[in-house]
Amino acid sequence: QKEVEQDPGPLSVPEGAIVSLNCTYSNSAFQYFMWYRQYSRKGPELLMYTYSSGNKEDGRFTAQVDKSSKYISLFIRDSQPSDSATYLCAMSESGGATNKLIFGTGTLLAVQP
Amino acid sequence: NAGVTQTPKFRVLKTGQSMTLLCAQDMNHEYMYWYRQDPGMGLRLIHYSVGEGTTAKGEVPDGYNVSRLKKQNFLLGLESAAPSQTSVYFCASSRTGDSDTQYFGPGTRLTVL
Repeated sequence: QKEVEQDPGPLSVPEGAIVSLNCTYSNSAFQYFMWYRQYSRKGPELLMYTYSSGNKEDGRFTAQVDKSSKYISLFIRDSQPSDSATYLCAMSESGGATNKLIFGTGTLLAVQP
Repeated sequence: NAGVTQTPKFRVLKTGQSMTLLCAQDMNHEYMYWYRQDPGMGLRLIHYSVGEGTTAKGEVPDGYNVSRLKKQNFLLGLESAAPSQTSVYFCASSRTGDSDTQYFGPGTRLTVL
């Protein structure tokens, strides 16, 4: 079993839809949770960053962490064609000398105009 | 301010050949990382560096070597390329290692025949 599981998709939605992307994990020591967006043939870029449990909102994006269920989500409201990309979840344990991120495999999202 | 750059962007090697991938960052970051990205596997850490002159193994270090002679550069070497090393390689850097944001380069697409 992988430490982080993510549905690869592809997920196709019409413009304006609410998108829900999810990851589950098995390591209860994870404290930092991130979502990266990766456009085709580009490097990942950080989209959302959350510490421990709870919600974080940034514009049309909301990140949720439920540590009791070992489940994280990214919601995209009013989705746009420019949101079409692969979304990677990533996690790391607290403290330590290095920031070793464990990534999910990514979910490919296509927003149709 | 170019961020993280990678050279070359594409490369085709024959089995047994060697090559070096160069990563450069202009953000004065202490930490640098090399990942490989394969379909269905996500991003996996190959080697990382917590400062000039230091390197350490990540999740999949076999067949690779690294060097960090200057703070701004992180080199990834393949001494004897194998078809299993066909992948997209990403370099990343972060200011600190305490779960700080990692900034990724655009990637190098390597094919080993």
